[in-house]
Formats: sequence, C-alpha cells, structure tokens
Amino acid sequence: QQPVQSPQAVILREGEDAVINCSSSKALYSVHWYRQKHGEAPVFLMILLKGGEQKGHEKISASFNEKKQQSSLYLTASQLSYSGTYFCGTAKGYGGSQGNLIFGKGTKLSVKP
Amino acid sequence: DTEVTQTPKHLVMGMTNKKSLKCEQHMGHRAMYWYKQKAKKPPELMFVYSYEKLSINESVPSRFSPECPNSSLLNLHLHALQPEDSALYLCASSQGGRGPSFYGYTFGSGTRLTVV
Repeated sequence: QQPVQSPQAVILREGEDAVINCSSSKALYSVHWYRQKHGEAPVFLMILLKGGEQKGHEKISASFNEKKQQSSLYLTASQLSYSGTYFCGTAKGYGGSQGNLIFGKGTKLSVKP
Repeated sequence: DTEVTQTPKHLVMGMTNKKSLKCEQHMGHRAMYWYKQKAKKPPELMFVYSYEKLSINESVPSRFSPECPNSSLLNLHLHALQPEDSALYLCASSQGGRGPSFYGYTFGSGTRLTVV
C-alpha cells in the first residue's frame, strides 16, 4: 500500500526549517527518502531500518517511529539547493516483492531566497 | 563507478515503431529495475530482475518487454505503444541479498519517452 506523505507542498525562505512526514498503515521494514529535482532522477538521501539503523547523508536527519509506522525528514537551515520533490519509499520486508519500495505521492519543497 | 547510465535521454516514437531503452551499471549490483514516472507522480514499479532473472512483473502490458542480457545491462523493448505511455522511464539498481529495502536504489537519469 502506498505511504501517505504530508504536507503535499511547502514553501520556505532560505535558512528556515521544514519537516516532511511519511506514514503507512502496514508494518514496515524500512523507510527511504529521495529527492528529485525537475527533469532529473531521484537521488538517495536516507534509509531508516526497523531496529534503529540509519544510513544516509550527514546533513540530513530523519526519524522512524516503528510503533506508529511513521517517518519524518528534518530539513534544517534550508538552502536553495534543497528545492525539489521529496519522496518517501517504504518496504515491508526484504527479498521478493516485500523488499521493493512503494513510493508516496511526494512533497514539493520550494526554497526562496 | 557509482552510476547507472540510461540511453537515450530522450525518445520520440510513433505508435507503430519498435524501440529499446538501455540501462547499464558497473557497481556489481545484482538487482535491476524499471520504473515508470508520469509528471508530478511518484515512480511506479514495472519490472524487477534479480540475478538476471525476471522476478516481478507488475502487470505491465505486453507492449513493454524487458530483457537482462547480463548482470550489468538491462533493456526495455517497446512496441506499439500508446500516447498514454509517454513518461519518464527510470532504471535503478540495488545490491543483491537484502535488496533495496536494506540498501536503497541507485537511479539512472531516465529516458523521457514521448509517443506520438
């Protein structure tokens, strides 16, 4: 099932902070975050695994609440380069169809000077 | 080499044409994927190859035919497409074993396909 992202869109000024949320009605093994700029491929930001392991960029932070099946991506001191559409992808397990990512509808982030 | 290379970047084809999209990676990844992405929508999974074998076909019409000649190469053959098939087609790869749920994807830059 497709995860639900919120908000759908957010506009920031440079230096402001933002939080993007992703939730699922199913138990999750992992939550992934990608950023996609217009006309480009999605770029990996972070993976959060059941059990607390995280892998990703040093300047990106995120959380994964396993009990609630919710993840949040924290963007602090935003820069113009942060603009783009952020997708969360969720996996119910690993191996076979359970391991493939289902993406949310995305959150469009616009950072203004 | 940490890239997934897709060619061509842009493709315009008629509904009676036959064309192919190509994807290549040299990261030793053993899982490769085709995703379709319409404008302002998330990527949608089409096919999964694991260790060069087709493991998942997400009910994709037969006018799309995938092929994995070797562990580095993935093709998508197109025939008799419809205008609604116009989209960005993304190739991705992931390490084997626990797959994308543990390692994540490396995406190619995509092929923007227009069917006229």
